[in-house]
Amino acid sequence: GESVGLHLPTLSVQEGDNSIINCAYSNSASDYFIWYKQESGKGPQFIIDIRSNMDKRQGQRVTVLLNKTVKHLSLQIAATQPGDSAVYFCAEIPSGNTGKLIFGQGTTLQVKP
Amino acid sequence: SAVISQKPSRDICQRGTSLTIQCQVDSQVTMMFWYRQQPGQSLTLIATANQGSEATYESGFVIDKFPISRPNLTFSTLTVSNLSPEDSSIYLCSVDRTGRAFGYTFGSGTRLTVV
Repeated sequence: GESVGLHLPTLSVQEGDNSIINCAYSNSASDYFIWYKQESGKGPQFIIDIRSNMDKRQGQRVTVLLNKTVKHLSLQIAATQPGDSAVYFCAEIPSGNTGKLIFGQGTTLQVKP
Repeated sequence: SAVISQKPSRDICQRGTSLTIQCQVDSQVTMMFWYRQQPGQSLTLIATANQGSEATYESGFVIDKFPISRPNLTFSTLTVSNLSPEDSSIYLCSVDRTGRAFGYTFGSGTRLTVV
């Protein structure tokens, strides 16, 4: 069945280093992928999205890479800051479905000062 | 993007009772969604709340347990009925981001503890 999973449950990085959070998906027909950040006690916050016809998209300090050949998605955070500490989720939107988000299990990012 | 207010932010309920969660959006949206996030877990879609029609439920979720109302384009409620400790979760509403086809904004969630 459809699934979106993450490779590592916890990632610990030093402040100032770059972070890479990975995600594998199984539905090759998905149209969109989204990365969310969830801080404790808050709802998920949209970070960046990417269409299935793109390989890379950049935002402020963040870059999302999509490799459709191996069905892999990654989020790169440059110069990681303590405020980046949170749980990060990738989410997938199946083709033709404008409402349903399929979430991965989440990666906890811990930034050490 | 749309601003979503969700109430209550948290509650502790006795088993066998029900809790109704409200979701208010500051602009009209076509689709509103309700998700559940069990402790330490990811988010799972419960249902899509459609204005003027019955909600559409995902596999494993039924209307008797999770009745949903959508009286207008800015408001929805989710009721979690006949509570058991297994219902202890965070419940979140979500809407399509204003002006975008994809990318969904979430409320801050309702943390429910059933005792």
